[in-house]
Amino acid sequence: KAGVTQTPRYLIKTRGQQVTLSCSPISGHRSVSWYQQTPGQGLQFLFEYFSETQRNKGNFPGRFSGRQFSNSRSEMNVSTLELGDSALYLCASSLAISYRNNEQFFGPGTRLTVL
Amino acid sequence: AQTVTQSQPEMSVQEAETVTLSCTYDTSESDYYLFWYKQPPSRQMILVIRQEAYKQQNATENRFSVNFQKAAKSFSLKISDSQLGDAAMYFCASSNRDDKIIFGKGTRLHILP
Repeated sequence: KAGVTQTPRYLIKTRGQQVTLSCSPISGHRSVSWYQQTPGQGLQFLFEYFSETQRNKGNFPGRFSGRQFSNSRSEMNVSTLELGDSALYLCASSLAISYRNNEQFFGPGTRLTVL
Repeated sequence: AQTVTQSQPEMSVQEAETVTLSCTYDTSESDYYLFWYKQPPSRQMILVIRQEAYKQQNATENRFSVNFQKAAKSFSLKISDSQLGDAAMYFCASSNRDDKIIFGKGTRLHILP
């Protein structure tokens, strides 16, 4: 079974631009979560989608948004990029909601660099 | 607020030896889960071990085991017979009823041959 895939793997943008990252979950998984990983802040939860609905959201500004499609693929968008948005963005999928009973499987991440 | 603290940014251990990674957490809830995740240099994060707060028995997965001290809010990871493939960043994490996962800052583990 194919794992979680994220595209693109690397991205370079300039301040003020917007970016869209894509995540394809493991087949059959309906929950997709997004995380931002930086050396200073570590891993921070962005949001979670289940069956096309945002179920949970972390403490990020409105410039960060996401959506999930009917095939469970998810995209996250960052508008008006800032230098501080440079990070590794990780996507994770699980069979259902609640991480307690359903293991999260992570993708390789998208490395975003904002110049 | 839920917090997870890993006080050791980096650790080193000789191959075949045992190492313990520390983690403390803070939560006001009684129903929560704790996790250890491993992120090798290739960056794909994988779940190492999971502990349910209401279970007193410490979780074990092959060479990986935890020491869960609920009253002290401590959740350390012990790796026995360390192997070169264990070199990675290890993250401790917790999840409350709201199902948000909060991660610690991580501990980078080096395995010395």
